[in-house]
Amino acid sequence: DAKTTQPPSMDCAEGRAANLPCNHSTISGNEYVYWYRQIHSQGPQYIIHGLKNNETNEMASLIITEDRKSSTLILPHATLRDTAVYYCIVRVATDSSYKLIFGSGTRLLVRP
Amino acid sequence: DADVTQTPRNRITKTGKRIMLECSQTKGHDRMYWYRQDPGLGLRLIYYSFDVKDINKGEISDGYSVSRQAQAKFSLSLESAIPNQTALYFCATSDSPGWSTDTQYFGPGTRLTVL
Repeated sequence: DAKTTQPPSMDCAEGRAANLPCNHSTISGNEYVYWYRQIHSQGPQYIIHGLKNNETNEMASLIITEDRKSSTLILPHATLRDTAVYYCIVRVATDSSYKLIFGSGTRLLVRP
Repeated sequence: DADVTQTPRNRITKTGKRIMLECSQTKGHDRMYWYRQDPGLGLRLIYYSFDVKDINKGEISDGYSVSRQAQAKFSLSLESAIPNQTALYFCATSDSPGWSTDTQYFGPGTRLTVL
């Protein structure tokens, strides 16, 4: 079962920041939060990941609350090409390694 | 990602037929994965392989089998296809994870329809 909860859909205006929330209240201390996105029916694309510190890369920023029970993905200047389904994922440990458990994601619509 | 390819891209078959979906990667990654996606749902893990001699069941392995022929190739088989296996199938790869990173790279997907 997915360990994350996301709103099913959101929208924002082109050029504005898109803030996508995610709840992961049962996350363990050593489990990372990953974000992927899927455009149409293409293969999911990695965006960013983090443990407890805020992270930023060329695509987005990830803000993780101090208690680690929730996080927010920020697309600072959304474009029409950012319209996609965004998955917040907790990487969980298996017997020998890790795996990603995808939930249903948030469908982001960027409006012109 | 062009480094991960899947064949076929689309397939329509009939109930009871044996189907093989193939995945190849040029990224040199040790780890490979098969997921399925149903309309409106996220991805569910079918099987994963951490190297050529390692095969592990995911959350929904019943009705599927896999073969890791080489580091670069990971095939998914449906021995006797049934309609509820109609879905979009994705292959993914990742390098051996460090403590803090385990990014997966996905192929373009195979759309399978079982009539």
